[in-house]
Amino acid sequence: ETGVTQSPTHLIKTRGQQVTLRCSSQSGHNTVSWYQQALGQGPQFIFQYYREEENGRGNFPPRFSGLQFPNYSSELNVNALELDDSALYLCASSLSSGRYEQYFGPGTRLTVT
Amino acid sequence: AQSVTQLGSHVSVSEGALVLLRCNYSSSVPPYLFWYVQYPNQGLQLLLKYTTGATLVKGINGFEAEFKKSETSFHLTKPSAHMSDAAEYFCAVSGGTGGGNKLTFGTGTQLKVEL
Repeated sequence: ETGVTQSPTHLIKTRGQQVTLRCSSQSGHNTVSWYQQALGQGPQFIFQYYREEENGRGNFPPRFSGLQFPNYSSELNVNALELDDSALYLCASSLSSGRYEQYFGPGTRLTVT
Repeated sequence: AQSVTQLGSHVSVSEGALVLLRCNYSSSVPPYLFWYVQYPNQGLQLLLKYTTGATLVKGINGFEAEFKKSETSFHLTKPSAHMSDAAEYFCAVSGGTGGGNKLTFGTGTQLKVEL
């Protein structure tokens, strides 16, 4: 059984640029959630996708957007990058959109300069 | 609204000593509670979870946690610390507004294990 994978591992971008992060969910999981973890903080919920539809969103601006594909993999897109967007971005998959446990990938470390 | 408070951002114990990491929660719905561990430069690994039923839950690596509704607590314990337990630990609660089964995390507790 393959776990949650994320790419790339690390990324450096310049303020104002756009970035796309990718996530492959665990086999059999149809729900993907994205979290932002700033240095020294707990993860903050960005949004969740269930069967290709957004199924909940945290307190993040519209320049954070996402997609889920028919194979349940997902992308997180961030436009107009700001310095404060520098963080570890974590993807988690779960069996469904109910209150199932979430399994996390290793994360993508984004640095905005 | 959901929230989690983890008392003590840093905890230091001797190898072989009891580990106690504190977590208090607030939830507008019956809570599902989780403990995750994060090793440096890695993602989060699920240690254990409470959903319903037995209030004492056992997890991986010898950890356990007890759900106490009257105290709104879900403290994590391990009888004997090992050097490999050194990591950051996050308590989380599931559900609430915002949709889906989003997790609301505490700010984490860094566990240091000394010889």
